[in-house]
Amino acid sequence: AQKVTQAQTEISVVEKEDVTLDCVYETRDTTYYLFWYKQPPSGELVFLIRRNSFDEQNEISGRYSWNFQKSTSSFNFTITASQVVDSAVYFCALSEARETSGSRLTFGEGTQLTVNP
Amino acid sequence: DAGVTQSPTHLIKTRGQHVTLRCSPISGHKSVSWYQQVLGQGPQFIFQYYEKEERGRGNFPDRFSARQFPNYSSELNVNALLLGDSALYLCASSLGRGTAAREKLFFGSGTQLSVL
Repeated sequence: AQKVTQAQTEISVVEKEDVTLDCVYETRDTTYYLFWYKQPPSGELVFLIRRNSFDEQNEISGRYSWNFQKSTSSFNFTITASQVVDSAVYFCALSEARETSGSRLTFGEGTQLTVNP
Repeated sequence: DAGVTQSPTHLIKTRGQHVTLRCSPISGHKSVSWYQQVLGQGPQFIFQYYEKEERGRGNFPDRFSARQFPNYSSELNVNALLLGDSALYLCASSLGRGTAAREKLFFGSGTQLSVL
């Protein structure tokens, strides 16, 4: 069975600090997708990034970057120069690419990020 | 363009009652998924529908059912409500093309269900 663990329940930083959110996953599949979603107080989850299991190249997109390491089953997410508007709950999620699994996401417990002015 | 819309926003029911939650996907999206999010936890997958067919079902009892209509909107029904069904119910839509597992999901703001 697949599982996603986000060990950090809450993180608090001061604006302009960099912050890294940790994510560790478990899956028996060789083909899978990893996601990060953001949930602001309004409730809807907002897609941030996606990575497939075949591509370990780490990328930067604006203030967001991610570090995918298959050897340690980790998919960490970094926000550079954090802003107050980044305050939200961040979820890491896993989707296995089996024909029968559709777009079923397994989410972690989430990390509450608070960015203080 | 309108995003995923869910109704109602909030709902209060008592144990044993039945509830119907509604979801309208983004225009052009043919796949709808439902998730349950208990306070303080991550969302849990309930159902996925694509072209009116059930494509996946999570580990939820038969009291939970859903359907998708020809216009791709969807309903989630829960019978014989229990206190433990109190949660935020999220609907997500996606195009439904290509590899389903890689699809980016677009979520609504959810329906907050309280069972007393």
